[in-house]
Amino acid sequence: GNSVTQMEGPVTLSEEAFLTINCTYTATGYPSLFWYVQYPGEGLQLLLKATKADDKGSNKGFEATYRKETTSFHLEKGSVQVSDSAVYFCALNNQGGKLIFGQGTELSVKP
Amino acid sequence: GAVVSQHPSRVICKSGTSVKIECRSLDFQATTMFWYRQFPKQSLMLMATSNEGSKATYEQGVEKDKFLINHASLTLSTLTVTSAHPEDSSFYICSATGTGESYNEQFFGPGTRLTVL
Repeated sequence: GNSVTQMEGPVTLSEEAFLTINCTYTATGYPSLFWYVQYPGEGLQLLLKATKADDKGSNKGFEATYRKETTSFHLEKGSVQVSDSAVYFCALNNQGGKLIFGQGTELSVKP
Repeated sequence: GAVVSQHPSRVICKSGTSVKIECRSLDFQATTMFWYRQFPKQSLMLMATSNEGSKATYEQGVEKDKFLINHASLTLSTLTVTSAHPEDSSFYICSATGTGESYNEQFFGPGTRLTVL
């Protein structure tokens, strides 16, 4: 079946450090891939997405490339800020419109 | 962008009472709405999928008689937690998809924190 696996958190970084959050998936067919961010006490916001292999999604300095050969969609940011502290969810959307979420990775950025 | 609202944002109720949570798409027609439950420091668990004008499809293990879902219009879906108990305390999040540019992308509401005493 379809599944998403993320690296475990929490991830603690200093401001301006480089961020990578790994995400790999298992799916039949050709899913769309997403990264969502959840700030404390809030719902989810779409951060970026990619709909086909080799697409790169980007937003607010975050990037992720859809790698079909490695079934991965790792999230990266070159220089994190304190305001990036949140929980990040990788997800795929395959058939039927349902989203399959990873377990979430908590990011804490210290000044 | 597409906006989804939820009301109330938080609710506290006594055990045995019922609670209704509303999910609205403010600037698009939501052909499909999803209801999720999230426990502290955990991922979202899909509870059910509802299409406007038809019965909701519940995920395995979700009690349909306890979590009543209604999607009577293209902009409103409601989740009613009937005879709530402390173990129903959770963060409930809805999302919606529409047509056109909003097809195949889910837009999430801000969530509702339910506490059952």
